[in-house]
Amino acid sequence: EADIYQTPRYLVIGTGKKITLECSQTMGHDKMYWYQQDPGMELHLIHYSYGVNSTEKGDLSSESTVSRIRTEHFPLTLESARPSHTSQYLCASSEQGAGELFFGEGSRLTVL
Amino acid sequence: AQSVAQPEDQVNVAEGNPLTVKCTYSVSGNPYLFWYVQYPNRGLQFLLKYITGDNLVKGSYGFEAEFNKSQTSFHLKKPSALVSDSALYFCAVRETDSWGKLQFGAGTQVVVTP
Repeated sequence: EADIYQTPRYLVIGTGKKITLECSQTMGHDKMYWYQQDPGMELHLIHYSYGVNSTEKGDLSSESTVSRIRTEHFPLTLESARPSHTSQYLCASSEQGAGELFFGEGSRLTVL
Repeated sequence: AQSVAQPEDQVNVAEGNPLTVKCTYSVSGNPYLFWYVQYPNRGLQFLLKYITGDNLVKGSYGFEAEFNKSQTSFHLKKPSALVSDSALYFCAVRETDSWGKLQFGAGTQVVVTP
């Protein structure tokens, strides 16, 4: 069982609000990722990090930002949420090398 | 550039029958290949991976996959499907010299009927 946690699991907010999705892992993994999963099921990488103070944008452009101040923590922030941000956000982590990704349970965001 | 194709949006199979979920990939170098499963309102769970060695890889819940380099395929198989195997399955690939960025397929919905 993977030790990676996301909160909140579900969030409904109004347009213009600032939100932060939390992601924490207790496995000591250096690599962490955020994926956005749209209603058509595809997963799109929006941010990743190779370690503390390292953050990179993924393949899908996103208005969200991330930070990596501690190894175990990789929060994602939306400064001003819009209905187009409605989606499921999945956080993951992995070891160096050929290690598989471990995923959290996801945060389902609905912006009204 | 790396890419993954899952040609079937949905696979329907009767309980007890063999289950196959197809995946083909494209990489410029050698691949690392993965299969994940996702149940409704959950994150992805790792099933199995191919790194090197034996082309037949065995994973969780009785699943296995066969790496075929000439056909650039990595199909997921289970000899006898269960109703509880109904879920969304994702194939993923990354090149061995990349830094962990997985490319996921679009997913295949598996429906197992009693």
